[in-house]
Amino acid sequence: EAGVVQSPRYKIIEKKQPVAFWCNPISGHNTLYWYLQNLGQGPELLIRYENEEAVDDSQLPKDRFSAERLKGVDSTLKIQPAELGDSAVYLCASSFGVPPDTQYFGPGTRLTVL
Amino acid sequence: GQQLNQSPQSMFIQEGEDVSMNCTSSSIFNTWLWYKQDPGEGPVLLIALYKAGELTSNGRLTAQFGITRKDSFLNISASIPSDVGIYFCAGRPSSGTYKYIFGTGTRLKVLA
Repeated sequence: EAGVVQSPRYKIIEKKQPVAFWCNPISGHNTLYWYLQNLGQGPELLIRYENEEAVDDSQLPKDRFSAERLKGVDSTLKIQPAELGDSAVYLCASSFGVPPDTQYFGPGTRLTVL
Repeated sequence: GQQLNQSPQSMFIQEGEDVSMNCTSSSIFNTWLWYKQDPGEGPVLLIALYKAGELTSNGRLTAQFGITRKDSFLNISASIPSDVGIYFCAGRPSSGTYKYIFGTGTRLKVLA
């Protein structure tokens, strides 16, 4: 069974540029999460989807971050415009069931903003 | 954002030694997960715990769900060089939220 797929793995952009990350969850997993992981820290939740509905986006900086999960499968996380402080690893995870069963993570996208 | 306390923050051990680490919370949790993260990779699930007092093993790894439901423990027996990495706990509070809160991580380094 394929795991959570993320792309790109690495992205380097200049500040004020837009950037987008893509995630394909494990087949059949209804819940999808986007996490931010700063260096030396544990992952912090940005947004959680149940199917196509964003049920927890309280930690998403909505002035510059947006996310969508069309058709309840793949998801895209966007930053526009990017700031220096956005440099981090962006992790996608998925799980099955409500309440959610265990989460499985993708490899992450490492973003560097210059 | 909120993060759980993990102890120790980092540790150097000799190959073959046993390792213990823990994760504590100020609130009650319904689920505890333990992950290992290698450099440049996402966290990989090691063990999941669902009931207070539960003890679960995965090879040389054993984890326990604390009976107070506010802590969890991970033990690694007979450590080997490939155990190097960062170990994260994650807990799901019993307060009705379905989000997981992660610990600050324990960085393990094994000396051959």
